[in-house]
Amino acid sequence: DAGVIQSPRHEVTEMGQEVTLRCKPISGHNSLFWYRQTMMRGLELLIYFNNNVPIDDSGMPEDRFSAKMPNASFSTLKIQPSEPRDSAVYFCASSLQASGYGYTFGSGTRLTVV
Amino acid sequence: DAKTTQPPSMDCAEGRAANLPCNHSTISGNEYVYWYRQIHSQGPQYIIHGLKNNETNEMASLIITEDRKSSTLILPHATLRDTAVYYCIVRVYNNNDMRFGAGTRLTVKP
Repeated sequence: DAGVIQSPRHEVTEMGQEVTLRCKPISGHNSLFWYRQTMMRGLELLIYFNNNVPIDDSGMPEDRFSAKMPNASFSTLKIQPSEPRDSAVYFCASSLQASGYGYTFGSGTRLTVV
Repeated sequence: DAKTTQPPSMDCAEGRAANLPCNHSTISGNEYVYWYRQIHSQGPQYIIHGLKNNETNEMASLIITEDRKSSTLILPHATLRDTAVYYCIVRVYNNNDMRFGAGTRLTVKP
Protein backbone atom coordinates (compact mmCIF):
# COMPACT_ATOMS: atom_id res chain seq x y z
CA ASP A 1 0.00 0.00 0.00
CA ALA A 2 1.42 3.38 -1.03
CA GLY A 3 -0.17 5.17 1.88
CA VAL A 4 -1.87 8.55 1.69
CA ILE A 5 -0.54 10.41 -1.32
CA GLN A 6 -0.45 14.20 -1.42
CA SER A 7 0.56 16.46 -4.26
CA PRO A 8 2.37 18.65 -4.80
CA ARG A 9 5.01 18.28 -2.06
CA HIS A 10 5.94 21.93 -2.35
CA GLU A 11 4.03 24.86 -3.79
CA VAL A 12 5.16 28.44 -4.09
CA THR A 13 2.63 30.90 -5.39
CA GLU A 14 1.99 34.60 -5.49
CA MET A 15 -0.60 36.30 -3.35
CA GLY A 16 -3.98 36.34 -5.03
CA GLN A 17 -3.46 33.17 -7.03
CA GLU A 18 -5.59 30.06 -6.71
CA VAL A 19 -3.96 27.06 -5.07
CA THR A 20 -5.21 23.48 -5.25
CA LEU A 21 -3.85 20.75 -3.01
CA ARG A 22 -4.61 17.12 -3.78
CA CYS A 23 -4.96 13.98 -1.73
CA LYS A 24 -5.45 10.30 -2.51
CA PRO A 25 -6.49 8.35 0.60
CA ILE A 26 -5.68 4.73 1.33
CA SER A 27 -7.93 2.40 -0.61
CA GLY A 28 -10.80 1.19 1.56
CA HIS A 29 -10.61 4.08 4.03
CA ASN A 30 -13.88 5.99 4.19
CA SER A 31 -12.87 8.99 6.30
CA LEU A 32 -10.62 11.77 5.09
CA PHE A 33 -9.19 14.73 6.98
CA TRP A 34 -7.41 17.95 6.08
CA TYR A 35 -5.08 19.52 8.66
CA ARG A 36 -2.92 22.63 8.56
CA GLN A 37 0.28 23.06 10.57
CA THR A 38 2.06 26.29 11.43
CA MET A 39 4.59 27.18 14.08
CA MET A 40 2.15 29.55 15.75
CA ARG A 41 -0.99 27.40 15.78
CA GLY A 42 0.32 23.85 15.57
CA LEU A 43 -1.82 21.19 13.89
CA GLU A 44 -5.36 22.37 13.14
CA LEU A 45 -8.20 20.24 11.83
CA LEU A 46 -9.75 22.06 8.88
CA ILE A 47 -12.40 19.68 7.61
CA TYR A 48 -13.25 16.00 7.47
CA PHE A 49 -15.34 13.75 5.25
CA ASN A 50 -17.12 10.48 5.92
CA ASN A 51 -18.05 8.45 2.84
CA ASN A 52 -17.23 11.46 0.63
CA VAL A 53 -19.62 13.74 2.53
CA PRO A 54 -18.26 16.77 4.43
CA ILE A 55 -19.15 16.33 8.09
CA ASP A 56 -17.47 19.19 9.91
CA ASP A 57 -15.88 22.19 8.23
CA SER A 58 -15.83 24.41 11.30
CA GLY A 59 -12.05 24.54 11.14
CA MET A 60 -11.94 26.08 7.69
CA PRO A 61 -10.57 29.55 8.38
CA GLU A 62 -12.44 31.56 5.76
CA ASP A 63 -14.60 31.37 2.68
CA ARG A 64 -11.42 31.48 0.64
CA PHE A 65 -10.92 27.85 1.62
CA SER A 66 -12.98 25.06 0.10
CA ALA A 67 -12.65 21.29 0.03
CA LYS A 68 -14.23 18.62 -2.11
CA MET A 69 -14.27 14.87 -2.27
CA PRO A 70 -15.84 13.85 -5.60
CA ASN A 71 -15.12 10.16 -5.03
CA ALA A 72 -13.63 7.79 -2.50
CA SER A 73 -10.14 8.03 -3.94
CA PHE A 74 -9.62 11.76 -4.34
CA SER A 75 -9.98 15.02 -2.45
CA THR A 76 -8.92 18.60 -3.04
CA LEU A 77 -8.36 21.60 -0.83
CA LYS A 78 -8.56 24.88 -2.68
CA ILE A 79 -7.54 28.36 -1.57
CA GLN A 80 -8.79 31.25 -3.70
CA PRO A 81 -7.40 33.86 -3.48
CA SER A 82 -4.30 32.86 -1.54
CA GLU A 83 -2.66 35.15 1.03
CA PRO A 84 0.78 35.08 2.70
CA ARG A 85 -0.79 34.01 6.01
CA ASP A 86 -1.95 30.80 4.33
CA SER A 87 1.67 29.67 4.20
CA ALA A 88 1.81 26.39 6.12
CA VAL A 89 2.16 22.65 5.74
CA TYR A 90 -1.13 21.04 4.79
CA PHE A 91 -1.64 17.39 5.72
CA CYS A 92 -4.23 14.96 4.49
CA ALA A 93 -5.09 11.84 6.52
CA SER A 94 -7.44 8.92 6.08
CA SER A 95 -8.92 6.23 8.27
CA LEU A 96 -11.54 3.54 8.39
CA GLN A 97 -14.39 5.11 10.29
CA ALA A 98 -15.71 3.24 13.30
CA SER A 99 -12.56 1.18 13.50
CA GLY A 100 -11.24 3.43 16.22
CA TYR A 101 -7.74 2.93 14.97
CA GLY A 102 -5.32 5.61 14.10
CA TYR A 103 -5.25 7.90 11.15
CA THR A 104 -2.67 7.53 8.39
CA PHE A 105 -1.19 10.84 7.36
CA GLY A 106 0.35 11.85 4.07
CA SER A 107 3.70 13.55 3.76
CA GLY A 108 2.12 16.97 3.48
CA THR A 109 2.22 19.90 1.07
CA ARG A 110 4.40 22.82 2.06
CA LEU A 111 2.67 25.95 0.76
CA THR A 112 4.45 29.27 0.53
CA VAL A 113 2.49 32.33 -0.58
CA VAL A 114 4.68 35.30 -1.44
CA ASP B 1 -9.95 23.97 25.61
CA ALA B 2 -7.10 21.47 25.96
CA LYS B 3 -8.13 18.02 27.13
CA THR B 4 -4.56 16.89 27.75
CA THR B 5 -1.46 18.36 29.38
CA GLN B 6 2.04 17.30 28.38
CA PRO B 7 5.50 18.65 29.26
CA PRO B 8 6.82 20.75 26.37
CA SER B 9 10.13 18.90 26.14
CA MET B 10 12.10 15.92 27.44
CA ASP B 11 15.50 14.37 26.88
CA CYS B 12 16.41 10.70 26.91
CA ALA B 13 19.69 8.83 26.53
CA GLU B 14 19.96 6.48 23.59
CA GLY B 15 19.21 2.90 24.61
CA ARG B 16 17.32 3.92 27.72
CA ALA B 17 13.57 3.85 28.20
CA ALA B 18 11.71 7.05 27.37
CA ASN B 19 8.67 7.68 29.58
CA LEU B 20 6.36 10.39 28.28
CA PRO B 21 3.61 11.51 30.65
CA CYS B 22 0.18 12.90 29.83
CA ASN B 23 -2.50 14.28 32.12
CA HIS B 24 -6.14 13.99 31.06
CA SER B 25 -8.02 14.61 34.29
CA THR B 26 -11.35 15.39 32.58
CA ILE B 27 -11.43 12.28 30.42
CA SER B 28 -14.90 10.78 29.94
CA GLY B 29 -15.77 7.14 30.32
CA ASN B 30 -16.08 6.58 26.59
CA GLU B 31 -12.91 8.40 25.61
CA TYR B 32 -9.76 6.59 24.58
CA VAL B 33 -6.18 7.79 24.93
CA TYR B 34 -4.29 7.98 21.63
CA TRP B 35 -0.62 8.67 21.02
CA TYR B 36 0.92 9.96 17.81
CA ARG B 37 4.36 11.22 17.00
CA GLN B 38 5.69 13.57 14.35
CA ILE B 39 9.23 13.28 13.16
CA HIS B 40 10.60 16.47 11.67
CA SER B 41 8.88 17.48 8.41
CA GLN B 42 6.82 14.28 8.24
CA GLY B 43 3.14 13.68 8.83
CA PRO B 44 2.05 12.48 12.28
CA GLN B 45 2.33 8.74 12.84
CA TYR B 46 -0.09 6.69 14.93
CA ILE B 47 1.63 4.84 17.79
CA ILE B 48 -0.91 3.24 20.14
CA HIS B 49 -4.23 3.75 21.87
CA GLY B 50 -6.06 2.38 24.91
CA LEU B 51 -9.13 2.73 27.11
CA LYS B 52 -8.21 1.53 30.59
CA ASN B 53 -5.99 -1.50 30.25
CA ASN B 54 -2.30 -1.26 29.56
CA GLU B 55 -1.45 -1.80 25.92
CA THR B 56 1.70 -2.86 24.10
CA ASN B 57 2.65 -3.11 20.46
CA GLU B 58 5.84 -3.26 18.45
CA MET B 59 6.46 0.43 18.89
CA ALA B 60 5.60 1.24 22.48
CA SER B 61 3.69 0.51 25.67
CA LEU B 62 0.85 2.58 27.08
CA ILE B 63 0.23 2.64 30.82
CA ILE B 64 -3.06 4.19 31.96
CA THR B 65 -3.66 4.86 35.65
CA GLU B 66 -6.56 3.16 37.33
CA ASP B 67 -8.52 6.42 37.61
CA ARG B 68 -7.70 7.11 33.93
CA LYS B 69 -6.65 10.66 34.71
CA SER B 70 -3.15 10.20 33.38
CA SER B 71 -1.10 7.93 31.18
CA THR B 72 2.48 7.24 30.20
CA LEU B 73 3.86 6.27 26.83
CA ILE B 74 6.96 4.11 27.12
CA LEU B 75 9.53 3.63 24.39
CA PRO B 76 11.53 0.76 25.90
CA HIS B 77 14.86 1.31 24.15
CA ALA B 78 14.95 4.78 22.63
CA THR B 79 17.01 5.36 19.52
CA LEU B 80 18.07 8.57 17.80
CA ARG B 81 15.28 7.98 15.29
CA ASP B 82 12.72 8.31 18.08
CA THR B 83 13.49 12.03 18.34
CA ALA B 84 10.13 13.62 17.55
CA VAL B 85 7.14 15.51 18.92
CA TYR B 86 4.79 13.14 20.75
CA TYR B 87 1.09 13.97 20.99
CA CYS B 88 -1.35 12.60 23.53
CA ILE B 89 -5.00 12.89 22.46
CA VAL B 90 -8.25 11.79 24.06
CA ARG B 91 -11.29 11.10 21.93
CA VAL B 92 -14.31 8.89 21.66
CA TYR B 93 -13.45 5.64 19.89
CA ASN B 94 -14.87 6.35 16.45
CA ASN B 95 -15.32 10.10 16.72
CA ASN B 96 -13.52 11.75 13.86
CA ASP B 97 -13.02 15.07 15.61
CA MET B 98 -9.38 14.50 16.56
CA ARG B 99 -7.47 17.59 17.61
CA PHE B 100 -3.78 17.89 18.45
CA GLY B 101 -2.26 19.91 21.27
CA ALA B 102 1.32 21.14 21.50
CA GLY B 103 2.80 17.74 22.40
CA THR B 104 6.15 16.86 23.97
CA ARG B 105 9.35 17.31 22.02
CA LEU B 106 11.48 14.26 22.85
CA THR B 107 15.17 14.48 22.09
CA VAL B 108 17.14 11.23 22.23
CA LYS B 109 20.81 11.92 22.84
CA PRO B 110 23.79 9.66 22.09
